[in-house]
Amino acid sequence: AQKVTQAQTEISVVEKEDVTLDCVYETRDTTYYLFWYKQPPSGELVFLIRRNSFDEQNEISGRYSWNFQKSTSSFNFTITASQVVDSAVYFCALSEFYNNNDMRFGAGTRLTVKP
Amino acid sequence: EAGVAQSPRYKIIEKRQSVAFWCNPISGHATLYWYQQILGQGPKLLIQFQNNGVVDDSQLPKDRFSAERLKGVDSTLKIQPAKLEDSAVYLCASSFSPTGETQYFGPGTRLLVL
Repeated sequence: AQKVTQAQTEISVVEKEDVTLDCVYETRDTTYYLFWYKQPPSGELVFLIRRNSFDEQNEISGRYSWNFQKSTSSFNFTITASQVVDSAVYFCALSEFYNNNDMRFGAGTRLTVKP
Repeated sequence: EAGVAQSPRYKIIEKRQSVAFWCNPISGHATLYWYQQILGQGPKLLIQFQNNGVVDDSQLPKDRFSAERLKGVDSTLKIQPAKLEDSAVYLCASSFSPTGETQYFGPGTRLLVL
């Protein structure tokens, strides 16, 4: 079965610092999908990005960027010039093509950005 | 476009009572999911529907949990009787199809069992 590990339980940074959230995954499938979600204090999971296993291109969206490396089974997320509004719990997740989209989440990383 | 709707947002009950949660997915989304998120953990899938059929309920505690999606749109999740360890946030999500599609989540229902 698939597994997602987010080794960083909590990270605290000062505003404008860059921060990277790590995600390591395990799967036996060759076709799979990786996701990042943000969960602010309100509790709703907000979709950030989806990446399929055949697309290793890194992606940048504003202050957010993602680094997908199949060789190390990692899908890391970097926030550049962090802001207080970035404070939230961030989840990495994995779903396997042949497993009915059963999405497995990591335990999450709580990011606190201090002013 | 309206997102996934859930109600109630909060519920407090005593153990052994019953409780039901409601979810309305994004219009046109055939696949609906219920997740349980215990404090400090990531969400865990309870059940997945494709239209009105169950695709995966392998992690649903069937002795006390039940769910239905009779008309292939709205869904209800019921717990009867509730236990203390059921205290969690229950999240509903939907996707256009079951394979590789992004799941969009509702605001969740926070359940506290006393």
